[in-house]
Amino acid sequence: EAQVTQNPRYLITVTGKKLTVTCSQNMNHEYMSWYRQDPGLGLRQIYYSMNVEVTDKGDVPEGYKVSRKEKRNFPLILESPSPNQTSLYFCASSRTRAYEQYFGPGTRLTVT
Amino acid sequence: KNEVEQSPQNLTAQEGEFITINCSYSVGISALHWLQQHPGGGIVSLFMLSSGKKKHGRLIATINIQEKHSSLHITASHPRDSAVYICAVKGGATNKLIFGTGTLLAVQP
Repeated sequence: EAQVTQNPRYLITVTGKKLTVTCSQNMNHEYMSWYRQDPGLGLRQIYYSMNVEVTDKGDVPEGYKVSRKEKRNFPLILESPSPNQTSLYFCASSRTRAYEQYFGPGTRLTVT
Repeated sequence: KNEVEQSPQNLTAQEGEFITINCSYSVGISALHWLQQHPGGGIVSLFMLSSGKKKHGRLIATINIQEKHSSLHITASHPRDSAVYICAVKGGATNKLIFGTGTLLAVQP
């Protein structure tokens, strides 16, 4: 089954404790992206990747890192999480940037 | 002012009604997406379009590039259509997606 998976689905952590949210797709898609969704602000793009080893900032990249060492994986790294990074995070992928996106199920992160 | 504006923000309809959700944007774009998000959070891509009109089942999406406006229509609405509908645009010169804040639709039986 074609899908985008994210892990973990739920995470509660404390300020400053490094964490990684994994994202994997099995569709051989070139384009992958991370978004965060906050009440009243909607979805905002954090980082995206056009292909392996090619990443670029979205609208809200501060406090986040990404890497794209393999085509299927695009992890989101929070080196020192802060409470303002409490949010619902979505990973998505598409064949290229010109195609519709497939979204993962979301990761609900709480930073205390 | 947001670069992508949706209207209405909230919409309640009776089952069977024809529904229209609007999206206006202020930037040059290469494509526009319509997304659906059900309670529980999952997001599904409904349409991606750069011109004209697309139809899938009871859903129709149109875009007018000159007027920088898109509409999503739902014919013969059903309670299972209740969701948040989100418009997003891809800037012509960038690979970023910019999102509207969504339209919350409730279809009552």
